[in-house]
Amino acid sequence: NAGVTQTPKFQVLKTGQSMTLQCAQDMNHEYMSWYRQDPGMGLRLIHYSVGAGITDQGEVPNGYNVSRSTTEDFPLRLLSAAPSQTSVYFCASKGGLEQFFGPGTRLTVL
Amino acid sequence: QKEVEQDPGPLSVPEGAIVSLNCTYSNSAFQYFMWYRQYSRKGPELLMYTYSSGNKEDGRFTAQVDKSSKYISLFIRDSQPSDSATYLCAVRTTGANSKLTFGKGITLSVRP
Repeated sequence: NAGVTQTPKFQVLKTGQSMTLQCAQDMNHEYMSWYRQDPGMGLRLIHYSVGAGITDQGEVPNGYNVSRSTTEDFPLRLLSAAPSQTSVYFCASKGGLEQFFGPGTRLTVL
Repeated sequence: QKEVEQDPGPLSVPEGAIVSLNCTYSNSAFQYFMWYRQYSRKGPELLMYTYSSGNKEDGRFTAQVDKSSKYISLFIRDSQPSDSATYLCAVRTTGANSKLTFGKGITLSVRP
């Protein structure tokens, strides 16, 4: 099992550009989520999904879109990147009590 | 008030020391209490979890929950340089799709 995979590992964007962070899991988990991690702020939930076709907002959803067309994939879209979105992004999937995190994407917005 | 507050860091201890990491939470509905460990430039990994009150031990690690005071602790005995990481507490309710709420994390450095 690959677990949770994320691409790309690093990305630099200019203000106003859009991009999609990819996330995939091969554990057949229904529950998936996206977090951002900033110094001194901990992990904050952006969006989550409890199954294919079902998504909901987390704590900091503004500026981000998600969709869940399959159980395996949960992409995160930045609509118009802003410097405030410079962060490390983690995708996670939950099986039972345990949440499994991907390796993260380091995003810088100039 | 934040739902989960974690002691600020960073924390630096000599090898072999006993480490105590602490969090407080505000919502009495939380029933699951987790500790995640995150090595530098990696994703967090579940270290231990406790359901309701009490202690749970796993090797050199002990997780403790006091629901009366809404206090969560992680103790590390005989700390090793390999324990150097960021430790995040997390809480959730019992619902199958309940969300995890994380503390801000504390970075621990164990000096050889």
